[in-house]
Amino acid sequence: EAQVTQNPRYLITVTGKKLTVTCSQNMNHEYMSWYRQDPGLGLRQIYYSMNVEVTDKGDVPEGYKVSRKEKRNFPLILESPSPNQTSLYFCASSLGDSSLNTQYFGPGTRLTVL
Amino acid sequence: EDQVTQSPEALRLQEGESSSLNCSYTVSGLRGLFWYRQDPGKGPEFLFTLYSAGEEKEKERLKATLTKKESFLHITAPKPEDSATYLCAVQPRGFSGGYNKLIFGAGTRLAVHP
Repeated sequence: EAQVTQNPRYLITVTGKKLTVTCSQNMNHEYMSWYRQDPGLGLRQIYYSMNVEVTDKGDVPEGYKVSRKEKRNFPLILESPSPNQTSLYFCASSLGDSSLNTQYFGPGTRLTVL
Repeated sequence: EDQVTQSPEALRLQEGESSSLNCSYTVSGLRGLFWYRQDPGKGPEFLFTLYSAGEEKEKERLKATLTKKESFLHITAPKPEDSATYLCAVQPRGFSGGYNKLIFGAGTRLAVHP
C-alpha cells in the first residue's frame, strides 16, 4: 500500500530534550516536506527536500533541522524543543520535478513540549 | 504575499441540506488549487486539483469549481459521513518552498447532522 508513515504519533517531552520525528514514504517520491498545523493558522511549511541531500527552509524553519540521506526518509529534528513548538506535525511527499503533483500526507505527530 | 482564506470557519448542516464552502486566494501566479479533507486525528486526504479558471471537478456529493480569485466546494445532499474539516491550498508559480509548495487556508469544519 502506497503511504507516508510517521513515528511517533504522539509525543510529550520537556523543554530542551532533543527529539526526532521520523517520516518514510514507499512511493519513490522525490519531493518531501514537513508542515505544522496550529488552530486558526492552517498548515505551514517548515522544511522541504527536492531530493537526496537537497533540503531548504520553508516558512517557519526556526528551531528545526532536517536531513535527507535516503530518498524514502525525511526526519524532522528538534535540537532543543520549546513550548511554542507544541503542535501537530505532518510529513508529505510527491513525485517532484517541475510538474504539478499531488502531495500525500502522513497521519500526523502530535507533539507537546512542557 | 500569497494568501488563502476559507469561509465559513465552521458550518453545521442537516443531512440533505446542500451548501458551499468558499476558498479565496491571492497568489502571484497560480499553478494549481487543491482541496483536501481532514478527519480528526488524521492527515489531509486529497480530493481535487483545479488548474485554471472555469474548471470543475466532481466526486460523489462534492463538486469543486475555480475562478480567478476563488474556489467553491459544493456539497449536494450531504450525509453525516461527510463531516470533516475541508482544506483548500494553492500552489504558486515560482520556486520558493520548492516546486510543490502548498499554501493552506485554515479550513472549514463541516458537521452534518442526521
